[in-house]
Amino acid sequence: AQSVTQLGSHVSVSEGALVLLRCNYSSSVPPYLFWYVQYPNQGLQLLLKYTSAATLVKGINGFEAEFKKSETSFHLTKPSAHMSDAAEYFCAVTPRAGTALIFGKGTTLSVSS
Amino acid sequence: GAVVSQHPSWVICKSGTSVKIECRSLDFQATTMFWYRQFPKQSLMLMATSNEGSKATYEQGVEKDKFLINHASLTLSTLTVTSAHPEDSSFYICSARLRGERELSDTQYFGPGTRLTVL
Repeated sequence: AQSVTQLGSHVSVSEGALVLLRCNYSSSVPPYLFWYVQYPNQGLQLLLKYTSAATLVKGINGFEAEFKKSETSFHLTKPSAHMSDAAEYFCAVTPRAGTALIFGKGTTLSVSS
Repeated sequence: GAVVSQHPSWVICKSGTSVKIECRSLDFQATTMFWYRQFPKQSLMLMATSNEGSKATYEQGVEKDKFLINHASLTLSTLTVTSAHPEDSSFYICSARLRGERELSDTQYFGPGTRLTVL
């Protein structure tokens, strides 16, 4: 069975600081991994996805994530936080492309000035 | 491109009534759509997988007679919450599968969600 664990339900950073949101997965097969962002009362927007190509995946809004099989991790990073990055972030996994996603519990990112 | 809409964006209804939520893929055909439910401050939980022209596949614990799903066309899936009760109040989000030219490029695109409040 597939599962996703997001470490830290709430992360706070200062504007301009590094953003690191942690995600570990459990999968019996090579997974497809995703990061989504959700702003209040809105749906999910895809930030980036890993589909077994390059292990370092670049997404929108300056975010990137690195797939580390040895650590079963897919952490999301951004070098310099912006106030507009404040939102809920979800890591998700699926065993096959196009199938339903299994989501982590989410991490709320707060950015202070 | 790849826009998914939901209607309504929010709805308030009385207990015992039924509510229909529409999910549309605006600029692509989606043979598969997914319905998720999200409680406040929680993650998304898959309710059902909807395939065009066939019966939906429900996740364990989801009452198929209460949450009726219809996927009558390649661009529209509907979720009807029948005899709604306050505990059905939640944020319902759909996603549509965009088939890529290669399997690896398959991507789900999410609608903006529908907030249901049952009084």
